Amino acid sequence: GDSVTQMEGPVTLSEEAFLTINCTYTATGYPSLFWYVQYPGEGLQLLLKATKADDKGSNKGFEATYRKETTSFHLEKGSVQVSDSAVYFCALSKEYGNKLVFGAGTILRVKS
Amino acid sequence: NAGVTQTPKFRVLKTGQSMTLLCAQDMNHEYMYWYRQDPGMGLRLIHYSVGEGTTAKGEVPDGYNVSRLKKQNFLLGLESAAPSQTSVYFCASRPGTRNIQYFGAGTRLSVL
Repeated sequence: GDSVTQMEGPVTLSEEAFLTINCTYTATGYPSLFWYVQYPGEGLQLLLKATKADDKGSNKGFEATYRKETTSFHLEKGSVQVSDSAVYFCALSKEYGNKLVFGAGTILRVKS
Repeated sequence: NAGVTQTPKFRVLKTGQSMTLLCAQDMNHEYMYWYRQDPGMGLRLIHYSVGEGTTAKGEVPDGYNVSRLKKQNFLLGLESAAPSQTSVYFCASRPGTRNIQYFGAGTRLSVL
């Protein structure tokens, strides 16, 4: 079945460091890919998405590129802030949105 | 601007007790979803609904029932709670025309 694999955390970085969180997927067909973020005590919110190969999603300084050849959707940010501390989930959706398949989540901690 | 509202926020049950979790959305969305979040496992879909009066099973439906009598509400029931149902439950909704899910803040349930 479809699945998403994320790098294990927690990831601990100093403020202004470069961030990469790896995400790879297994799916037949052409899934849409998402990054969701969960801040402490809150629900998930969409960070960015990409719907086809080579698309780049971006938001709030975060970017991810849909790489079909490597089945990857790695999340990057050039300079993290303490306020970026959260849990980040990679997810895919294959049908027109009837369900999301999530990775296990990666905890990011940013120190000042 | 309420979005997706879940009640209650916290609940402690004894094994065998029953309860209902309520999800309400004020965005006139067609689709609604119930997920559970467990450590190291991401979010897993329990049940979902593609419209008023319709429901369908997700990945982990056993031990749960749902109803969608009104478009804005999606109820998740536990008839006889078990310790394995200790989890954080999230409700989400999405419009029929856009593949983005909006999440509530979650319900933390402990079954003793």
